[in-house]
This record gives sequence, structure tokens and C-alpha cells, in this order.
Amino acid sequence: AQKITQTQPGMFVQEKEAVTLDCTYDTSDPSYGLFWYKQPSSGEMIFLIYQGSYDQQNATEGRYSLNFQKARKSANLVISASQLGDSAMYFCAMREGDTGGFKTIFGAGTRLFVKA
Amino acid sequence: EAGVTQFPSHSVIEKGQTVTLRCDPISGHDNLYWYRRVMGKEIKFLLHFVKESKQDESGMPNNRFLAERTGGTYSTLKVQPAELEDSGVYFCASSRLAGGLSYEQYFGPGTRLTVT
Repeated sequence: AQKITQTQPGMFVQEKEAVTLDCTYDTSDPSYGLFWYKQPSSGEMIFLIYQGSYDQQNATEGRYSLNFQKARKSANLVISASQLGDSAMYFCAMREGDTGGFKTIFGAGTRLFVKA
Repeated sequence: EAGVTQFPSHSVIEKGQTVTLRCDPISGHDNLYWYRRVMGKEIKFLLHFVKESKQDESGMPNNRFLAERTGGTYSTLKVQPAELEDSGVYFCASSRLAGGLSYEQYFGPGTRLTVT
């Protein structure tokens, strides 16, 4: 069964507007971490934000925030005030604390297009 | 500090040939990971080295894939003989730590492998 699901293969957003990229996950491990990575056209994977399963507050990093809804098992990425440079592929990922070892599990990604 | 580097950036080979991918982690990072993304799908974990030892190779698809990390520095991933389904982007990542959940993995730009 897929552990990380990103249902939006592609998304468009107008420059300066906010956009939400969806991510749902599946785990029975009570201890896990959730990540978002950005992959621009140059290919490298850039770490954006991290949320631990026991964290009480939603993680924020500059214009990025993670809308963590534990009961729904969702970890959506919100990008505020989109910029043209935000156009990229975005991957949601998870590590499981007790059962997953050190591997990171990724979703299939969402390609974001920011329009001028 | 130099990032994770991978060589080559692109490789096109014929079915049945051998290809060797190389990854140079960030200096001082004992942990090295290989991942693969087949066209349009999620990025999948292949294996994890701690120094020169294979910590977890549960994601290696079959015995046509051989990963080594002699001396605990750079790593190679050899595919022999290559099949069409091996086409994809192979990512390498490294980290200083590998305990807990929130440690950051630094990714290289990937090697795009095309098997024809």
C-alpha cells in the first residue's frame, strides 16, 4: 500500500497568491517525521520543512508552512505569496521512527507552475 | 562546503550493457543513501551505507544492482546487465547523523539513466 499520497500531479497558481499542495500518509507507527522537498529544474532536492508526529504546533519556515492534521493523516504544504522561482516539483516524504529504519518514503510529487 | 555530487548527470546505454553511477557525499557524512525515481512515480529508497557498511539494502530491486562504498567515502552503484525498466533518475543523499527522525538528508542532483 502506498504510504505517501500526493493526489495533485500538477498545480497552477498566480504569482503572489497562496497555494496548498496536498499530502496524505499512512503509518501505524506512533513516531514519524514528515518532510517536504522542492526539486527545481536543475534537479537537486532541496529540504523545505519538517514536522514531527509529536509536535504540537504546525511547522513554519518563512513562506512555507505545514498544515498538519494528525487525525486525518494529512500534511499539506502551504506556500504563501508565490514567486516565479517556486515553480518546481514538490515531494512529500515520511520517516517512521520505530519500524522504518533510516529510509525516507516519498510521494510521487506535485509539479507547481507559478504564473506571472 | 561542497554539496553531494553525482556523476554522470546523464547516461544513455543499451539494454544488456553495464553502467556505473558515482556519488560523492558531503565531506564528513558517514551516512550515504541511494534512491531511484522511475518516470512519474515516487522516489524509492534503494539502500543506506554507514561508512563502508550496508546498513539497509532492502530497497535494492534485484541482484543486477551492486552498490559499494569502499573506504567509506564515495559510493558507486553498478547496474549489470541493464534492463529497460532500470531507466529513471538515481539520487544519492548523505547525512552526518542518522538517528531520530528530523535529521536532514542532503541530496545530489541525480543521474538520469536511460536504457534503450
